[in-house]
Amino acid sequence: QVQLVQSGSELKKPGASVKVSCKASGYTFTSYAMNWVRQAPGQGLEWMGWINTNTGNPTYAQGFTGRFVFSLDTSVSTAYLQISSLKAEDTAVYYCAREQIRDFDYWGQGTLVTVSS
Amino acid sequence: QSVLTQPPSASGTPGQRVTISCSGSSSNIGSNTVNWYQQLPGTAPKLLIYSNNQRPSGVPDRFSGSKSGTSASLAISGLQSEDEADYYCAAWDDSLNGNVVFGGGTKLTVL
Repeated sequence: QVQLVQSGSELKKPGASVKVSCKASGYTFTSYAMNWVRQAPGQGLEWMGWINTNTGNPTYAQGFTGRFVFSLDTSVSTAYLQISSLKAEDTAVYYCAREQIRDFDYWGQGTLVTVSS
Repeated sequence: QSVLTQPPSASGTPGQRVTISCSGSSSNIGSNTVNWYQQLPGTAPKLLIYSNNQRPSGVPDRFSGSKSGTSASLAISGLQSEDEADYYCAAWDDSLNGNVVFGGGTKLTVL
């Protein structure tokens, strides 16, 4: 069965970096794009962008350029989200989500990133 | 402020039918399909409706979706207590270089 398993919660200080992983199983990793979605505490869902799992080419939504980097390791069917120069407002749950055909059919369980001094 | 507009809350009693609206524009709902996601408390979102009105395997037929022009709706019939959750609509937006836009979410309370 399809599963997306994300890495555990992170507590980081402002200015630090974090790398969240999303390991896929149960399907051919390179056959589906991977998207990233942010959910700030008590807030709604916000699309961050996606990465082409064939070419590794990322596309970032407005507001997620510069400090946010999507990457892959196809040898272990894993997608990564790296955030640098962390700010308090980056505190959120970050989800990876597999893209079927213009919808997100499977989601990771979410990774809470807390930025606090 | 979300690109797609949903009511912040909705409610109903067990057995009732409730609908949740999602309003957009010609660049998103008007020209692309709409998906709905259900987020139960403390869990990840789950695909509930795709391509305006299609249910993934395992989703009860109590859930239905529709779209007309630049608006879409999610209907839940025979409301059950386990339907209490946040519901989000989503669509691609052609004006934003293919970005995905979400509604702000609707918190459904089963009274």
